[in-house]
Formats: sequence, C-alpha cells, structure tokens
Amino acid sequence: EAGVAQSPRYKIIEKRQSVAFWCNPISGHATLYWYQQILGQGPKLLIQFQNNGVVDDSQLPKDRFSAERLKGVDSTLKIQPAKLEDSAVYLCASSFSRGDDGYTFGSGTRLTVV
Amino acid sequence: LAKTTQPISMDSYEGQEVNITCSHNNIATNDYITWYQQFPSQGPRFIIQGYKTKVTNEVASLFIPADRKSSTLSLPRVSLSDTAVYYCLVGTGSQGNLIFGKGTKLSVKP
Repeated sequence: EAGVAQSPRYKIIEKRQSVAFWCNPISGHATLYWYQQILGQGPKLLIQFQNNGVVDDSQLPKDRFSAERLKGVDSTLKIQPAKLEDSAVYLCASSFSRGDDGYTFGSGTRLTVV
Repeated sequence: LAKTTQPISMDSYEGQEVNITCSHNNIATNDYITWYQQFPSQGPRFIIQGYKTKVTNEVASLFIPADRKSSTLSLPRVSLSDTAVYYCLVGTGSQGNLIFGKGTKLSVKP
C-alpha cells in the first residue's frame, strides 16, 4: 500500500513569513496526526484529527499554527507568521482507528526559518 | 499520561543481541506499550506493540513483566542498518496520548 505522503520535503523561509505543509494519509485511515520534531528530540504531537474533526489540539500554538482536514482525507498545516523556533521537521502520521494498531508516519517536511 | 524512561544511548557490535529497557511505572490498565524506530531524515516506523507477557514478530521481541512497569525491546543479531533511535511509548492511542520521549540512540559498530 502507498505510504503517508507529505510535501514539500524541504522549505526555507524568513521569519514572519507564512508556510503550509500538505499531508495525504494512507487510504482508509480515519485518524491523522501532525507532529513537530525539533533536532535531537522526540516528535511532539500538535494536533489529532478523527475523520475531519479535531480530537486533540491542546499543544498547537493556535496564535500562529492552524490545521484543517477537509473531507476527512488530506490535511494542511499552516504557520503564520513563522518564528525562528519553528525550525523543525513536521511529521504527518495516520492510523486506521485511534492508533492502537500503530501509526504510519510520512518522511516529514524539514522547515528552516532564517 | 504515562511517562517513559529509557537510556539516552547504547552501543553494540554487529551480530550481537541488543536489549533496550523502558521504564513506565505509572502505566494505566488500558495502556499498550509500543516501540518505534527512526532513521535520520525519516519518520518513525512502528516496530512492535504489546500489552503483557511476550510478543515476537519478524523484526523484534517485546518482553513485558507481570507488573507491566517496564518493558524490554530485544533485537536479535543486529546489523549496521539497525543504527537508529528507538522510542518506547505507552498509551492507548486515543486523544493523542502516545507521547514520544527522547528515545534511545543505538549505534551498531562493525
């Protein structure tokens, strides 16, 4: 089966600019997650969707980050305006149900804010 | 949310068996134990999951004692390609409660 697709693979922007990341989960996976992974640390959950509804966004910096999952399939994560500390890899993952069967991660988007 | 503690790093040689232990003293009754592997520039990859006793698949074994306060990931006969960061997670997967720690960086030497 096809894996979780993410684009772009890399992105370099200046601080205060905006950026968007796209994720296409595995077909049939109802649950979708966005993680932020700063160099040397484990992934940190930003937001979890169940179909097109938000299950958990408690760690999403809502003043600058937003995410949507229209029609319960693809998802986009946006940062506006970006800060230097947003430099990280943004990982998208999906699972069939709630994750009890394990997540499948994409390769991520490496964001550098200069 | 159950927190996990695992060694920051481990070294091994090709052909050896590697055991990585994870402590999770406040694991809840409904929590599963899941291990992920991450190579540089890639997302984490699911390795194995268990609830109690022993689970084995084609990649690894997971040993869980009766009290479930710890677990041990066992990698038989490691090779250079097993060099990666290994994460132990505890939770049910619902509401984003699978929390990643810093993981264990395994270095396999020839």
